[in-house]
Amino acid sequence: QQQVKQSPQSLIVQKGGISIINCAYENTAFDYFPWYQQFPGKGPALLIAIRPDVSEKKEGRFTISFNKSAKQFSLHIMDSQPGDSATYFCAADTGNQFYFGTGTSLTVIP
Amino acid sequence: GAGVSQSPRYKVAKRGQDVALRCDPISGHVSLFWYQQALGQGPEFLTYFQNEAQLDKSGLPSDRFFAERPEGSVSTLKIQRTQQEDSAVYLCASSPQAATSGGPYNEQFFGPGTRLTVL
Repeated sequence: QQQVKQSPQSLIVQKGGISIINCAYENTAFDYFPWYQQFPGKGPALLIAIRPDVSEKKEGRFTISFNKSAKQFSLHIMDSQPGDSATYFCAADTGNQFYFGTGTSLTVIP
Repeated sequence: GAGVSQSPRYKVAKRGQDVALRCDPISGHVSLFWYQQALGQGPEFLTYFQNEAQLDKSGLPSDRFFAERPEGSVSTLKIQRTQQEDSAVYLCASSPQAATSGGPYNEQFFGPGTRLTVL
C-alpha cells in the first residue's frame, strides 16, 4: 500500500513557467514532509521541507503548500529553469521512517 | 566536506551469488538508513541503524537480506543468493540525529547509490 501518493508522474513545463507537483497521505502520524530532488545517477537531495504546524514555506523559487485537513501538500517551482529538470520525490516521516512518493519527472523546456 | 559515499557504484551479479554493498556515512552521523529504489520508483525503506544498533529492519524483503553497522559508522548491506527481483539501486542515507529525537529537521543525506543488476 502506497503511503504517499504523488502526481503527476511526469511534467513538462516551459522555461519561466510554474511547476506544480502534488502529494497526498493518510497517516496522521506523519510529522515531517520533505521534498527531494534527484538527478540521474545521483542520490536524492533535500530541496525543502515543512512541518504540519505551518501551511506554507518558501525558499527562493520553491514553495511547499500544506493542507493538514485535506492531508495534501504540494511543491511549486516558480520561474522554472532547464536546470530544474530532474525527478522530484515527496516524502512523509513518522519520526523513524520515511515514506516516499513514486516520483515526478520534470522537464523544463528552454 | 565529504558526503555519504557508497561502493561499488555498480555491481553485476549472477543469480545465486552473494553481494555486499558498502556505505560510508557522514562522519559523526548517528542514524543510517538503507533504501531500495526500483527503476522509476521512489526509495523504499529497508532498515535503520542508530549508531551500531539496528532498530528497525521491517523493510528487509526476505531473510536473504542482512545489514550491519558493527562500529556505528560504516555499514554493509549483504544480499545472499541474489535473485533477479533484487535488481535495483540501493541507497544509503545518514542523519546527524537519532530518528526518534524529533529535531527541527529530520534531514537525511543520501549517497549516490549502488546499482545492482542480477542476471
